[in-house]
Amino acid sequence: QQQVKQSPQSLIVQKGGISIINCAYENTAFDYFPWYQQFPGKGPALLIAIRPDVSEKKEGRFTISFNKSAKQFSLHIMDSQPGDSATYFCAASDTGTASKLTFGTGTRLQVTL
Amino acid sequence: NAGVTQTPKFRILKIGQSMTLQCTQDMNHNYMYWYRQDPGMGLKLIYYSVGAGITDKGEVPNGYNVSRSTTEDFPLRLELAAPSQTSVYFCASSSRGGTGEQYFGPGTRLTVT
Repeated sequence: QQQVKQSPQSLIVQKGGISIINCAYENTAFDYFPWYQQFPGKGPALLIAIRPDVSEKKEGRFTISFNKSAKQFSLHIMDSQPGDSATYFCAASDTGTASKLTFGTGTRLQVTL
Repeated sequence: NAGVTQTPKFRILKIGQSMTLQCTQDMNHNYMYWYRQDPGMGLKLIYYSVGAGITDKGEVPNGYNVSRSTTEDFPLRLELAAPSQTSVYFCASSSRGGTGEQYFGPGTRLTVT
């Protein structure tokens, strides 16, 4: 059962462009939504996260937009750089459950020169 | 401070063999997790632990066992390996549940033939 759906599966963006990755969830008990970044051969690392009490969170070039009524959230990468080329995973958890994360299927981002 | 370490990095098993994947963290984190990552499938939680002596099943526990005798170590045991267990395995730790950031190890790539 896929509780967090992520799209697109892959994305190619030119340097300086905006990368947008979308996720949708089903479980209304989810109340924590992190994004993880993974480089080849490495483990995932937390990039940015949001709670449902806010609709947007920005950290540098990375922004999460959150729509609670639609049960959707998205990651926007502004001024995308070649160093941003990685796989991005959205995730969700019910914070009352030992932070057990349910991950999306991942988006492979390639930023070209 | 090494963070989360995993051994081995790579392993090839024959069908029916058993092995233990080692995971150690030096951050004094109570929460530890085991995930498997399959291409196009994201990460799925196998087992987790909220402290020494306490473990619980995640989404895909069949064919695996864990133990948590110390805060630092969280080994994952594969009994009677099957081709379906071919995957990349990640261990993670967190200082708390809820919104606690999970820190991932570098992973173990396991092939069962």
